[in-house]
Amino acid sequence: GAGVSQSPRYKVAKRGQDVALRCDPISGHVSLFWYQQALGQGPEFLTYFQNEAQLDKSGLPSDRFFAERPEGSVSTLKIQRTQQEDSAVYLCASSPQGLAGSSYNEQFFGPGTRLTVL
Amino acid sequence: AQKVTQAQTEISVVEKEDVTLDCVYETRDTTYYLFWYKQPPSGELVFLIRRNSFDEQNEISGRYSWNFQKSTSSFNFTITASQVVDSAVYFCALSVYNQGGKLIFGQGTELSVKP
Repeated sequence: GAGVSQSPRYKVAKRGQDVALRCDPISGHVSLFWYQQALGQGPEFLTYFQNEAQLDKSGLPSDRFFAERPEGSVSTLKIQRTQQEDSAVYLCASSPQGLAGSSYNEQFFGPGTRLTVL
Repeated sequence: AQKVTQAQTEISVVEKEDVTLDCVYETRDTTYYLFWYKQPPSGELVFLIRRNSFDEQNEISGRYSWNFQKSTSSFNFTITASQVVDSAVYFCALSVYNQGGKLIFGQGTELSVKP
């Protein structure tokens, strides 16, 4: 079956522009996560959805970052007024709901969107 | 707070050598899960293994093996008889029960296996 897909794969933005990054999770997966991966670093958690509910947005670095998943499937991460420090790979992951809660399940990652802010 | 440390930034070995990737974690929670993921040059993270905090039994899967020791808060990963295709960045990650499943990753270890 199809895995997690993300679009665009690459995005170049001028500082100050708004960008929108899309994630299509595996069909039927309840949980969806966004991570930010800076060059040479491990991914860092941004936000988490269970169906359409955003249950944790503690990792969003500023109020310029906004994520939504209105119908509980596709999700969009929006970054307003991009800054150079926003340059990173943005990873989306999904997972099925497990008996022990989402903590137990492996997450299936997409290929990421590489954002470069000039 | 939770934290994962992978002290080895880069490791280079020659094919057929054994190699161990270290992972040390910190958490005060008693129920948690540890993961290893592989990130090949294509960029997509691939799940390798999950262990829960109540199961310290070591696991072997082909050339891969994992050693989980709660006494030292470590979850090390060994590749036996390494191959060029093992070249990738490997991440250790921690997920705490009842926190929605977010993964806390280490900095990663870049493994280079040369022929």
